[in-house]
Amino acid sequence: GEDVEQSLFLSVREGDSSVINCTYTDSSSTYLYWYKQEPGAGLQLLTYIFSNMDMKQDQRLTVLLNKKDKHLSLRIADTQTGDSAIYFCAERMAGYALNFGKGTSLLVTP
Amino acid sequence: DGGITQSPKYLFRKEGQNVTLSCEQNLNHDAMYWYRQDPGQGLRLIYYSQIVNDFQKGDIAEGYSVSREKKESFPLTVTSAQKNPTAFYLCASSVTTGEGRNQPQHFGDGTRLSIL
Repeated sequence: GEDVEQSLFLSVREGDSSVINCTYTDSSSTYLYWYKQEPGAGLQLLTYIFSNMDMKQDQRLTVLLNKKDKHLSLRIADTQTGDSAIYFCAERMAGYALNFGKGTSLLVTP
Repeated sequence: DGGITQSPKYLFRKEGQNVTLSCEQNLNHDAMYWYRQDPGQGLRLIYYSQIVNDFQKGDIAEGYSVSREKKESFPLTVTSAQKNPTAFYLCASSVTTGEGRNQPQHFGDGTRLSIL
């Protein structure tokens, strides 16, 4: 399928906020997802948002959705060293499969 | 606990051999998926199955085969026709019916395949 776009790297200081951005491809995607992957592990679902929502907040995580621009962002408040990982944006396709971005490597420095 | 189990965690293959990666789930999910992950790449869909005895090719199915004889199991065979099989393979599952059909996919911990 077409590419979901994400920036490849992000570095932040511990305690700051992190914002990871994503541009998806299909304006009819009903659900959009954020997954986290730690080294050598599978993907852990962080949060997801339905396309009729503009924002979703879940503890330190805030997801913003701009359907007009097909732009999705994930904000992590008070970023900790344990948040260092790769973060994947994904859009739901027909047949229930997901179309993933290449992932953003987040490095949190003390 | 319910979840997805992939085995083995590490697998080595000699050139010209077929190898089979196991994926088992006890979540009672209808759909199962296989993805391939290469360094610096996102996940690319190999095959998926929405129901027992039925499966569809994903974006990169060439050199791979699957079967879905049981709801709980979706093994992936990497054949000798796959010229660059070294990668991290991830299996996932999800609900596809009723209110659960919009639920996200759950992933196993992956199998890393290397060529000797």
